Amino acid sequence: EPEVTQTPSHQVTQMGQEVILRCVPISNHLYFYWYRQILGQKVEFLVSFYNNEISEKSEIFDDQFSVERPDGSNFTLKIRSTKLEDSAMYFCASSVRDSPRTDTQYFGPGTRLTVL
Amino acid sequence: GQQLNQSPQSMFIQEGEDVSMNCTSSSIFNTWLWYKQEPGEGPVLLIALYKAGELTSNGRLTAQFGITRKDSFLNISASIPSDVGIYFCAGQLESGTYKYIFGTGTRLKVLA
Repeated sequence: EPEVTQTPSHQVTQMGQEVILRCVPISNHLYFYWYRQILGQKVEFLVSFYNNEISEKSEIFDDQFSVERPDGSNFTLKIRSTKLEDSAMYFCASSVRDSPRTDTQYFGPGTRLTVL
Repeated sequence: GQQLNQSPQSMFIQEGEDVSMNCTSSSIFNTWLWYKQEPGEGPVLLIALYKAGELTSNGRLTAQFGITRKDSFLNISASIPSDVGIYFCAGQLESGTYKYIFGTGTRLKVLA
């Protein structure tokens, strides 16, 4: 069964450093998303991406964040200058969106980001 | 922002018991989904609901999209130890946004 994959599974970085989190969405999916989950809290939407453009973003997704689809298979989230509060699990998701009413998003296993 | 309230927050049940949890909001949703998350993993889709009143089953799991489109419930029948995890509801608002809003989660523990 096709899956969303994410690398690395765990990333440790120093505050102020740049990190890139990588995702390979399900191959026939066209809509891509990033969510984050701070430890013990609910999952929060960050950004959605379609046709090489951001479709929607939350207030969390500020100028420190960017997304890119550098080739036909990868979808990346970059955090330019990490802060302690960026420590969280980051989940990538993808969907095929057959119609406006059937957008079922499938989630990857997540990358745990720890900012020291 | 929009809020999805899930209850109960946590449940401890005996193996074989049935479980019921629900999700409510003051906003109207177009889609309700139920996910299960185990420690250190991503949410795994259990059931997706697309129409008000829709009742859908997936094995021992049954979920319904409330008639008012502001709530949903998930039932698990005859629970087993591997049902342990955190169950999240998620929804897409009527307003046309595709982002998912997640509930606060129900932590389920099953005692053998």
